[in-house]
Amino acid sequence: TAGITQAPTSQILAAGRSMTLRCTQDMRHNAMYWYRQDLGLGLRLIHYSNTAGTTGKGEVPDGYSVSRANTDDFPLTLASAVPSQTSVYFCASSAQGGGDYNEQFFGPGTRLTVL
Amino acid sequence: GQNIDQPTEMTATEGAIVQINCTYQTSGFNGLFWYQQHAGEAPTFLSYNVLDGLEEKGRFSSFLSRSKGYSYLLLKELQMKDSASYLCAVSDRDDKIIFGKGTRLHILP
Repeated sequence: TAGITQAPTSQILAAGRSMTLRCTQDMRHNAMYWYRQDLGLGLRLIHYSNTAGTTGKGEVPDGYSVSRANTDDFPLTLASAVPSQTSVYFCASSAQGGGDYNEQFFGPGTRLTVL
Repeated sequence: GQNIDQPTEMTATEGAIVQINCTYQTSGFNGLFWYQQHAGEAPTFLSYNVLDGLEEKGRFSSFLSRSKGYSYLLLKELQMKDSASYLCAVSDRDDKIIFGKGTRLHILP
């Protein structure tokens, strides 16, 4: 079972360019999440989706957008990248948005550098 | 506001016991998680507490006191492979999971 996959593994992006980070899960999980992880700041929630068709803002949503057209996919888009968006991005999913089933499974991460 | 505090770094000796503390102040509470993250890898789930008390899983145990906003992760019989970051996370009233900054644990031989 693939679990949860992310693409690309890493990317160098020029400032001002747009980019979509892809995330796909095959566990039929209802909830999906995007985090960024920066040294000294830990994991910070960008956006989340409790079920297909709905999304919500996390702690640091500015400069990012998401969509959840179906259960499996949860792409994260940077419309106009800035250097402060240099980070490691983790996608995660959980069976449902509450209780014990909220254990999250993480993808391998995407390392993004914005120059 | 949401706040989760845990020590930045800890050091312990192989074979010993270490306790990593976590305090939290969040908008509501739907459970507390501990994750392990090795350098360069994704976090992996260790434990979940929603009721007060101790949950034991092999060498790892996690404790929760909701009235104190406090949890700890206890690691026994430490092994070199336990060198990693340990992340405390809380599920708030909207079921968003908020993470602390993590505790980097160094194991000495």
